[in-house]
Amino acid sequence: GAGVSQSPRYKVAKRGQDVALRCDPISGHVSLFWYQQALGQGPEFLTYFQNEAQLDKSGLPSDRFFAERPEGSVSTLKIQRTQQEDSAVYLCASSLARYNEQFFGPGTRLTVL
Amino acid sequence: SQKIEQNSEALNIQEGKTATLTCNYTNYSPAYLQWYRQDPGRGPVFLLLIRENEKEKRKERLKVTFDTTLKQSLFHITASQPADSATYLCALMMDSSYKLIFGSGTRLLVRP
Repeated sequence: GAGVSQSPRYKVAKRGQDVALRCDPISGHVSLFWYQQALGQGPEFLTYFQNEAQLDKSGLPSDRFFAERPEGSVSTLKIQRTQQEDSAVYLCASSLARYNEQFFGPGTRLTVL
Repeated sequence: SQKIEQNSEALNIQEGKTATLTCNYTNYSPAYLQWYRQDPGRGPVFLLLIRENEKEKRKERLKVTFDTTLKQSLFHITASQPADSATYLCALMMDSSYKLIFGSGTRLLVRP
């Protein structure tokens, strides 16, 4: 079956532009997570959804970052007024329940010039 | 402060040998510990999960141990193959949480 998909795979933005990153989780997965991964580092938690409810957004670096999952399936991570320090790979993961193994998408590599 | 440490230096071994990767943590009391594999340009792939009340878990050529006294997990790949070359990440999860807290990973290179 289909795994987690993310689009676009690569995104280049000029500083100050807004970007939107999409995640299609595995069908039926209740839990959805967004992570940020810098080069040579492990993923860092950004936010967590259980169905459509955003239960934790404590990892979002600033109020320029916003995530939504309005119908409990597809999720979008939006970054407003991008800065160079936002350059990273953004990973989405889904799981059946919050304590289960997480299935990761391939990530979106964001480069802010 | 809270830390998860994985050996930042790459582990370079000969095909057929056992690879042992270490994950140490301080100031955490995880209920679960997971190991993931990550290849360049891809997302992490789940390998094994071990609970705090389990000492050891096996899956095919993989073995994980979890010592909550030493605050350490060891990840073993027996009869290693060049296809095992990748970065391996350990991740902790606390009992009352759902966040995975990742280490920075150890790169494994298996020479033919």
